[in-house]
Amino acid sequence: DAGVIQSPRHEVTEMGQEVTLRCKPISGHNSLFWYRQTMMRGLELLIYFNNNVPIDDSGMPEDRFSAKMPNASFSTLKIQPSEPRDSAVYFCASIIDPVTYNEQFFGPGTRLTVL
Amino acid sequence: GQQLNQSPQSMFIQEGEDVSMNCTSSSIFNTWLWYKQDPGEGPVLLIALYKAGELTSNGRLTAQFGITRKDSFLNISASIPSDVGIYFCAGQLIYGGSQGNLIFGKGTKLSVKP
Repeated sequence: DAGVIQSPRHEVTEMGQEVTLRCKPISGHNSLFWYRQTMMRGLELLIYFNNNVPIDDSGMPEDRFSAKMPNASFSTLKIQPSEPRDSAVYFCASIIDPVTYNEQFFGPGTRLTVL
Repeated sequence: GQQLNQSPQSMFIQEGEDVSMNCTSSSIFNTWLWYKQDPGEGPVLLIALYKAGELTSNGRLTAQFGITRKDSFLNISASIPSDVGIYFCAGQLIYGGSQGNLIFGKGTKLSVKP
């Protein structure tokens, strides 16, 4: 089975541009998580969805960040406008059933560089 | 916010050595997970622990869920070069957490001894 799929793997953009990161969770998984990883702050949870509904978005840094999950097999994380401090690796992870298991499976990440 | 204290931050290994790392918290957890991250990749789940006192092995890896529910350790026996990477602990709070939401430690970076 395919794992969590993220695209693009690398993104270089200029400050002020819109960036859209994409994630396809593992088929059958009910919950999806977006994380940001930096050297300074480690892994930070940005937002997570359960059955396509956003449950906790308290980790979203500011209004420039938004996330959607229009269906069970697709989610996007958008940054508009992007800033250099948004440079990080963004991970998507999914869980089959958060009530029974807490085992999150991560995608390969998107390395974002904002110039 | 809640924090997991993971130690050591980094360590050097020589092939064949045993390695030990741990995570502690002032809060109580109902789940402990250990992940490994290779450069340029996402974290990969190594071991999941769901019961206090539980001791689980995965090949040369052994992890335990502390009796107090506030800590966990990971041991790697007879290390090999491919063990190099960053190891993360993660846990779900019993109180104050939401289903599936994990708190991650800062990681332990394993490198080969020069």
